Amino acid sequence: GAVVSQHPSWVICKSGTSVKIECRSLDFQATTMFWYRQFPKQSLMLMATSNEGSKATYEQGVEKDKFLINHASLTLSTLTVTSAHPEDSSFYICSARGEGGLAGGPSDTQYFGPGTRLTVL
Amino acid sequence: GQNIDQPTEMTATEGAIVQINCTYQTSGFNGLFWYQQHAGEAPTFLSYNVLDGLEEKGRFSSFLSRSKGYSYLLLKELQMKDSASYLCAVLDSNYQLIWGAGTKLIIKP
Repeated sequence: GAVVSQHPSWVICKSGTSVKIECRSLDFQATTMFWYRQFPKQSLMLMATSNEGSKATYEQGVEKDKFLINHASLTLSTLTVTSAHPEDSSFYICSARGEGGLAGGPSDTQYFGPGTRLTVL
Repeated sequence: GQNIDQPTEMTATEGAIVQINCTYQTSGFNGLFWYQQHAGEAPTFLSYNVLDGLEEKGRFSSFLSRSKGYSYLLLKELQMKDSASYLCAVLDSNYQLIWGAGTKLIIKP
């Protein structure tokens, strides 16, 4: 149980284009999903928290107009990197949390997708 | 402010035991998580402690002392595949997960 998928696993794009990353909870309903970014040899950095059906809450310093998050259903959240630039190249990881232990583990456990490696040329 | 401290890097020998410490200062406490992250991969859940004491799960054990703001992850019978970063994270009073920077564990033959 508690499987989270992410698609695509890697993407290379040209500067100025937009990239959409999907995050799905496959066997549980995720009331809350999180988006992280991780640069090489650095720790996880939380970008935003999204609850199904409501606007995402962005961390300080994260541009909401650049990183669009949509949590349209209890099993799907998307992150769109708009007008991507080389400095946006990073490892983007989503996680999902099922309330009340819905994911099978302790309540409030975050289960991570495999990540998406974005390279902007 | 909220703070989680863990060593940056540790080295241990295959077959041995290693203890990775984590101290925290957070606004409230609703549990402590340990995650394992191999290079280039996403973190995977290892353990959760909310009450004081030791939780054992196979070769891995996690300990918590809430009064001391302290936890450790104990890895026994180390294997080469245990080489990874180990992340300590605390759930604060707002149920926000506060992450440590991670401890890179290097296993030598």
